[in-house]
Amino acid sequence: SAVISQKPSRDICQRGTSLTIQCQVDSQVTMMFWYRQQPGQSLTLIATANQGSEATYESGFVIDKFPISRPNLTFSTLTVSNMSPEDSSIYLCSVAAPGHRYRYEQFFGPGTRLTVL
Amino acid sequence: ELKVEQNPLFLSMQEGKNYTIYCNYSTTSDRLYWYRQDPGKSLESLFVLLSNGAVKQEGRLMASLDTKARLSTLHITAAVHDLSATYFCAVETSGSRLTFGEGTQLTVNP
Repeated sequence: SAVISQKPSRDICQRGTSLTIQCQVDSQVTMMFWYRQQPGQSLTLIATANQGSEATYESGFVIDKFPISRPNLTFSTLTVSNMSPEDSSIYLCSVAAPGHRYRYEQFFGPGTRLTVL
Repeated sequence: ELKVEQNPLFLSMQEGKNYTIYCNYSTTSDRLYWYRQDPGKSLESLFVLLSNGAVKQEGRLMASLDTKARLSTLHITAAVHDLSATYFCAVETSGSRLTFGEGTQLTVNP
């Protein structure tokens, strides 16, 4: 199964600034995703990070606000731009990768807890 | 637009009791996941259900899938305190994208 790490694990930021979150996987994966979990809520898909091309964003999310890079098959970054308190959330990276139990599963990173003041 | 609905959203159980969490979804899908989330933690994969009639069991948890009814269940048998967590179902659609239910916050009381 894939092991995913994220940096930073948490941060407190001032409104109007930007934060870049890194996601590193211990094996090459084709499918990599970014999710947001607002306080007390479920998870919502932000975008699919495509290697070698622009990310595919879900309805309600735009590239100017959440630019994503995917330079190779093991790494991606998500930037939260021009932050406001409404961006306070946990941001999670996930990958679809072979699992021990199934041909493939979707695994989640530990998340980045962002607080915007 | 795909909708995934869980119920109940909050569940308080006594240890030793049984209960079922339901997950309804509004469109066809090839895969349905159940995840567990402890407070302040990420998601732990519990089950992946791949086909109609699939049933998976691990310990006190058993998950099933009825693709015709677009319904999955997570059954808890003889609950113990360690099962206290939030449980999410998630439906996979094209491009391996997941749509999550609202989550069921389970509290098991001694």
